[in-house]
Amino acid sequence: EAGVAQSPRYKIIEKRQSVAFWCNPISGHATLYWYQQILGQGPKLLIQFQNNGVVDDSQLPKDRFSAERLKGVDSTLKIQPAKLEDSAVYLCASSFTGVGTDTQYFGPGTRLTVL
Amino acid sequence: QQQVKQSPQSLIVQKGGISIINCAYENTAFDYFPWYQQFPGKGPALLIAIRPDVSEKKEGRFTISFNKSAKQFSLHIMDSQPGDSATYFCAANPRSSNTGKLIFGQGTTLQVKP
Repeated sequence: EAGVAQSPRYKIIEKRQSVAFWCNPISGHATLYWYQQILGQGPKLLIQFQNNGVVDDSQLPKDRFSAERLKGVDSTLKIQPAKLEDSAVYLCASSFTGVGTDTQYFGPGTRLTVL
Repeated sequence: QQQVKQSPQSLIVQKGGISIINCAYENTAFDYFPWYQQFPGKGPALLIAIRPDVSEKKEGRFTISFNKSAKQFSLHIMDSQPGDSATYFCAANPRSSNTGKLIFGQGTTLQVKP
């Protein structure tokens, strides 16, 4: 079974530029998560989708971050404009149902460096 | 406040030894406690998980101990191996969220020396 796919794996941009990350979840998984993992810290949930609807985006900085999940499958996370403090690994995860005890499967992440 | 505190930040253990990582939470509104293992350049992967109605869960060399009254839980790795060298995260799912949201600890970097 293929895992969660993410691209690109690495991205370096200047502050105030925009960037987009792509995620393809495990086939059949209804729930998709985007996490931000700053170096030396645990992942922090940014947004959770159930199919193509948003379940939780309480920690998403909506003035600069946006995310969509078209057709309930692939998802894109965008940052515009980027700030230095956005430097982090952006992890995508998916789960079958989205309930609390459901295993979340993580992709390898996209490492973003903002200069 | 929903927070999970993890210690130690780093840990060095000899091969064959026992690795112990501790986590504590500050409110009682969590009802699922997974542990994730992360290797460099990879995403976290579920290692083992426990519900608060159980005091201990064992899977192979990995054991979770849960103390509900103290609001603490810990991961024990028995017979630690160099292949166990990774970063370990405890996490908790808020009962009130009705979602899969996980609150992660800060992580513990484990090094097992041969």
